[in-house]
Amino acid sequence: GEDVEQSLFLSVREGDSSVINCTYTDSSSTYLYWYKQEPGAGLQLLTYIFSNMDMKQDQRLTVLLNKKDKHLSLRIADTQTGDSAIYFCAVSSASKIIFGSGTRLSIRP
Amino acid sequence: DTGVSQDPRHKITKRGQNVTFRCDPISEHNRLYWYRQTLGQGPEFLTYFQNEAQLEKSRLLSDRFSAERPKGSFSTLEIQRTEQGDSAMYLCASSFRSGGDNEQFFGPGTRLTVL
Repeated sequence: GEDVEQSLFLSVREGDSSVINCTYTDSSSTYLYWYKQEPGAGLQLLTYIFSNMDMKQDQRLTVLLNKKDKHLSLRIADTQTGDSAIYFCAVSSASKIIFGSGTRLSIRP
Repeated sequence: DTGVSQDPRHKITKRGQNVTFRCDPISEHNRLYWYRQTLGQGPEFLTYFQNEAQLEKSRLLSDRFSAERPKGSFSTLEIQRTEQGDSAMYLCASSFRSGGDNEQFFGPGTRLTVL
């Protein structure tokens, strides 16, 4: 079945860029998403990219899509303490969304 | 607040009891989804409705689980004879199907603990 893989942890220094990577198996996915989940909170859609795009930039967020390698990445520029959260990569599959297990981003001073 | 709401936010029950959760989607959204999230994992799809019709069910949705959306607005998810393995966060999401867009907006979830 469809699968989405991402690393479990990432630690970055405050002010540096964070890059969270994801691979997926369903080549027919039309939309690819990045969600953010803070402790005790619901899922927040950060950004998404349509499958015919290579890149999307939205303020501090840059999404890169390599459709050939089925690789998606999220870059957060100038990472702040408020960016500490779990980031989920997700892809559309028919009418549902398939999520990865999440990458916990921690920020060190 | 015009987002997706879920009730209750927390539910503690004993094994073998039945529980029911409610989800109120964003009012103009015609699609409603249920997901389950266990600790350390991403959400897993359970089922979805378009208006009042239940169009897809995951194999994760055993016969102890039933979902309804009787009037195409709010939805309920019932779990009968709960088991400890049912302990999880149950998330509801809604979307408005328009063209190819399928942006789903998630509610805060109902955390179920089965003792």
